[in-house]
Amino acid sequence: EVQLVESGGGLVQPGGSLRLSCAASGFTFSAYWMYWVRQAPGKGLVWVSRIKYDGSGIEYADSVKGRFAISRDNAKDTLYLQMNSLRAEDTAVYFCTRGPDSITWHTYFDYWGQGILVTVSS
Amino acid sequence: EIVLTQSPGTLSLSPGERATLSCRASQSVPSNSLAWYQQKPGQAPRLLIYGASSRATGIPDRFSGSGSGTDFTLTISRLEPEDFAVFYCQQYDQSPPMYTFGQGTNLEIK
Repeated sequence: EVQLVESGGGLVQPGGSLRLSCAASGFTFSAYWMYWVRQAPGKGLVWVSRIKYDGSGIEYADSVKGRFAISRDNAKDTLYLQMNSLRAEDTAVYFCTRGPDSITWHTYFDYWGQGILVTVSS
Repeated sequence: EIVLTQSPGTLSLSPGERATLSCRASQSVPSNSLAWYQQKPGQAPRLLIYGASSRATGIPDRFSGSGSGTDFTLTISRLEPEDFAVFYCQQYDQSPPMYTFGQGTNLEIK
């Protein structure tokens, strides 16, 4: 069974930093593109970042470019999101989600973690 | 940047009725990049439809997707009580790489 479990969220002051982790199991993590998607309270879904199965292919939404960094450790089956210079508008539930594998390209997200809340407030 | 606009914002229907949700793109979207998700309160989104019309694994056949170009539709043929939720469409831009969601349609029990 595919499982994605986020951790590392919480309350942080504006300008602060936080690192999210997403532990993957039930599939060959090193063969899949991985993504972060966020959802502000009461709002819709917004794509944040992606990373290719080999650690390349990194892209960010304009709203987080230069402040967030996505990475992965395929030996630990874990995806990360380092969030720096946090702003109030970064307050959201952050979801880790899976994309295509190394063989078949597609553009949808087939498995999602339960999400982790990040609150940026003084 | 392609913008996805979903309508209606809220749809009030009763169990057993047919639901038709719309997703309109500001520019033509490759059909193979249009997906639909369902999200219930406090839960993660669930993939329903990909490639505009293919059902994801385990999705009941009362859910169907159609459309091409700029107009896409999610249809739920006969609503079950567990179907009421918020639905999002999503597409992918290649240049620059970007994934976009619609603002969502809230399907509520009448």
